[in-house]
Order: sequence, then C-alpha cells, then structure tokens
Amino acid sequence: QKEVEQNSGPLSVPEGAIASLNCTYSDRGSQSFFWYRQYSGKSPELIMFIYSNGDKEDGRFTAQLNKASQYVSLLIRDSQPSDSATYLCAVNWDAGGTSYGKLTFGQGTILTVHP
Amino acid sequence: GAVVSQHPSRVICKSGTSVKIECRSLDFQATTMFWYRQFPKKSLMLMATSNEGSKATYEQGVEKDKFLINHASLTLSTLTVTSAHPEDSSFYICSARAIAGSDTQYFGPGTRLTVL
Repeated sequence: QKEVEQNSGPLSVPEGAIASLNCTYSDRGSQSFFWYRQYSGKSPELIMFIYSNGDKEDGRFTAQLNKASQYVSLLIRDSQPSDSATYLCAVNWDAGGTSYGKLTFGQGTILTVHP
Repeated sequence: GAVVSQHPSRVICKSGTSVKIECRSLDFQATTMFWYRQFPKKSLMLMATSNEGSKATYEQGVEKDKFLINHASLTLSTLTVTSAHPEDSSFYICSARAIAGSDTQYFGPGTRLTVL
C-alpha cells in the first residue's frame, strides 16, 4: 500500500511568519511530488511541483525534497491570512508509465494564518 | 493556461435518478482525465482514470456500472452517476493531465451532488 502522510493540523501561524508543511511517503520509487492548496468548498489548485532533490522556489513558496528520507515539504514565507487553506501533498509513483500519471494524496494539512 | 471546467457546479436530484457531470479542458488537449470524489473534511479519493478513446480504469471498490465514464474526445470526459442514492452525495472533482508524459494534473472546480 503506497501511502502519503501529512499532519492534519491545524497549523496556526501569525501573519508574516514562515509556515512549514511536511509530507512523507512510503515508496522509494516515487517520481514526482506536488503541492496543492484547497480552500473550503473549492477544488485543489496547483501551487508547485518538484522532481529533484533539493529546493525549488516560486515566489513566497519553497518546496523541498529529500528522496533519501522520503520527505517533501512546503515553506510559505511571509504568510498571509489569504494563505489559510488545506494544503494537499500528492505523489506520483510512475511518471509517464502505465499509471498514466495517477496521484496519491495525503489527507491534507489545515493552515490558519491569523492577523 | 491549463483551465479545466466542470458542469454543473451543483446538482440536487431525487434518489433513483441519474446525473451526468461534464469535465472539459478548455485550452489544452487532455489524453488522460481523472475523476475524484471528496467527502467533507476528507482527502480526495481517486475513482477512475479516463483515457481518450478507451475504457476507463476504475479504482478498487468503485462500481463501474454505477459510475459510468466516457472520454469521447481529447477535451471532454463525462461521469454519469446512475440510480443515485443519498450515499452518493459528495463533491466530485475531475482533473486533466495537460501533456502526455507530464504528471501535473489541473483540477476542475468540482460538482457538488446532493441526492435527496
């Protein structure tokens, strides 16, 4: 059973702080990793993806991947109240193979940014 | 770019009726689309993978005769919930893979189904 684990939270941070969201996965064969943001009652929206070990930055967001530790994280700098949402980690086990790009999602971490 | 639409956004129906949900990729061709359902405060559960021109692949425990999926073109996939019952009430979300060989999925806005 391939699993993706996230701390469900809620994670509460003050406005302007760095929010750190973590995700672990069970299969070392995992190829690609995604972070989605989901507001209540809405569908997920892609924040960023990462394929290689190390950091990837996009604006206030930084994804960090450590395949040896089977760990991927998302840092949100200068957190804003509008960042309050559920953050979903997703893992693809078979990039471009027979899985057709299926993703397995973690249960999501609820982030609350308070003014 | 990579916009996915769904219709309808919300539907209320009587028990025993069938409901069709459309998923369209508006500005790209999607060889693969995915259908998920999400219960309140739960994560997304993949129901099936839909490939253009071929039969959908259903996840374990998903009844293919109840959830009919058709992917007739590179921009349209439909999910029909047949003989819907109250336990089918959920948030149904489709996603599309933009480019063959890419893993990135873009999600539609979702359809909230309520079966009375």
